[in-house]
Amino acid sequence: SQQGEEDPQALSIQEGENATMNCSYKTSINNLQWYRQNSGRGLVHLILIRSNEREKHSGRLRVTLDTSKKSSSLLITASRAADTASYFCATDQGGAQKLVFGQGTRLTINP
Amino acid sequence: EAQVTQNPRYLITVTGKKLTVTCSQNMNHEYMSWYRQDPGLGLRQIYYSMNVEVTDKGDVPEGYKVSRKEKRNFPLILESPSPNQTSLYFCASSFYRGYEQYFGPGTRLTVT
Repeated sequence: SQQGEEDPQALSIQEGENATMNCSYKTSINNLQWYRQNSGRGLVHLILIRSNEREKHSGRLRVTLDTSKKSSSLLITASRAADTASYFCATDQGGAQKLVFGQGTRLTINP
Repeated sequence: EAQVTQNPRYLITVTGKKLTVTCSQNMNHEYMSWYRQDPGLGLRQIYYSMNVEVTDKGDVPEGYKVSRKEKRNFPLILESPSPNQTSLYFCASSFYRGYEQYFGPGTRLTVT
């Protein structure tokens, strides 16, 4: 079952602009994680936010979590061509022994 | 260097010919997992392992087997591959369930 659903499915912006991606989920979670995938390669972990946290920063990344709305957002500031990739959210559900991944947002940064 | 390795990276095979995709991690992680990635379907978990000799089914286990005899290795076995198992496969590991996962580079499998 797909827990996380990303929005939009695809996003194209100019270099230097900010990119925002959203993730919604259905059940309670322990944490929510964001991953990046360059075309056909393995996913790379970006950031983890716990259910009792509301906001977290890592370099140009800012993640927010609203457990009342069951949603999260990933903001990439001052985008670069190298940020072109697919971005996935993944949720750690309470009872399940796994991460559940959404289908991803494909981000294209135009020079 | 901390990493997850998979072999082979690319494989073309025929229906019914048994194959094994190896996965190894050097981080002493407890948790390991196999995923397949298909266009429009995202990343789906096949099997996972909480520790040595402890494995369990994920969302799409049919047609696959795994084993965890050693902590570092978690091979994926396709006893009788079929064309619907053509996909991109990823192995991943983490310190424990729910922690950040480290992914291998992927194995692109084509079954004709």
